[in-house]
Amino acid sequence: AQSVTQLDSHVSVSEGTPVLLRCNYSSSYSPSLFWYVQHPNKGLQLLLKYTSAATLVKGINGFEAEFKKSETSFHLTKPSAHMSDAAEYFCVVSVQDMRFGAGTRLTVKP
Amino acid sequence: DGGITQSPKYLFRKEGQNVTLSCEQNLNHDAMYWYRQDPGQGLRLIYYSQIVNDFQKGDIAEGYSVSREKKESFPLTVTSAQKNPTAFYLCASSIGSKKGNQPQHFGDGTRLSIL
Repeated sequence: AQSVTQLDSHVSVSEGTPVLLRCNYSSSYSPSLFWYVQHPNKGLQLLLKYTSAATLVKGINGFEAEFKKSETSFHLTKPSAHMSDAAEYFCVVSVQDMRFGAGTRLTVKP
Repeated sequence: DGGITQSPKYLFRKEGQNVTLSCEQNLNHDAMYWYRQDPGQGLRLIYYSQIVNDFQKGDIAEGYSVSREKKESFPLTVTSAQKNPTAFYLCASSIGSKKGNQPQHFGDGTRLSIL
């Protein structure tokens, strides 16, 4: 069985400052991990995925995530937040089927 | 341009009524999924289909039904047996049949409310 925990339900940053969204996972097997972004009343868009290749994964819009097996973490980062980054972010762990975290709402202040 | 189309965007259901949510994809994907999203929660799987004419229950299938007569289409019916249907419903598809490393592509959702 696998599960995922997003450690913060809400993160607020100022425009131009770094973003860190935290995700821990639990899995009996080597998982695939994903980050998705959801804007209001929209579907989910894939930001990036980890599938047992390089542990540092680069995604779209300047986001990246690092897979740390020893810490069972897959935190999402971005060096400089933009107003358009304000959205809900979901961490997902997958072995045979996908398990979604509860989401982290990112607010970006001007 | 390939993608997933969900309709309608907003839907209202009366007591005792069944309603059907449409999901169409032109990505040539084998697998399709229906999720329910409630505020402050992640997505929960209702039904999925790995191939035409076959589908499986997810974690919260009670009160819902699906069909998969065509590869492109995976409609979801919310029956009167679903006592709390108010939610945001998302349809998704993927290349593989539930292979763990295949990302899912999502439609823009249907918001269902009770009248």
